[in-house]
Amino acid sequence: QSALTQPPSASGSPGQSVTISCTGTSSDVGDYKYVSWYQQHPGKAPKLMIYEVSKRPSGVPDRFSGSKSGNTASLTVSGLQAEDEADYYCSSYVGSNNLLFGGGTKLTVL
Amino acid sequence: EVQLVESGGGLVQPGGSLRLSCAASGFTFSSYWMSWVRQAPGKGLEWVANMKQDGSEKYYADSVKGRFTISRDNTKNSLYLQMNSLRAEDTAVYYCARDARWLDYWGQGTLVTVSS
Repeated sequence: QSALTQPPSASGSPGQSVTISCTGTSSDVGDYKYVSWYQQHPGKAPKLMIYEVSKRPSGVPDRFSGSKSGNTASLTVSGLQAEDEADYYCSSYVGSNNLLFGGGTKLTVL
Repeated sequence: EVQLVESGGGLVQPGGSLRLSCAASGFTFSSYWMSWVRQAPGKGLEWVANMKQDGSEKYYADSVKGRFTISRDNTKNSLYLQMNSLRAEDTAVYYCARDARWLDYWGQGTLVTVSS
């Protein structure tokens, strides 16, 4: 199964909003509510930012939000801050208890 | 506090074997699915395998099926990954993670290098 499709890079200035897309198919993103997003800083383990399309774990700022339309999920980061600069990965449950990741998006805060 | 600590990584020759361990604490280990995820140097995340709470169900990525075996010992709060017939393309940092159809807690990872 091919990886979910994410743009390789995204950028925005402090205080702005940026949206990262994650495109799959009707067999993964389009078929399940189990889309999640992860933030990874260099040399660190990934951190869960969004689960079940739009839910935030405790401790994740409400500047991070998620949504889904059809086969495409999106992560929006509002009020960009310097510490938001990181790699972001989407993931979807794809049935048979398998998980599929996107290729990752490097977010740069200008 | 939930903690996951991987160990067992290192340098191994192509065709060799390695067993990774993940020690869990801070939650009821026996109540959760667990996953292994890897990340090749400079590359993205790849889900490797996961396992049901009681070990009755196991699932693998096609890239490791038949070579890797996931297991767990709920009495020791530990998850394992037995890796056989290792290839250069298996070189990666291997993470264990708690799996609820999303991965809410991750370990710090252990590096596996397959090279002669």
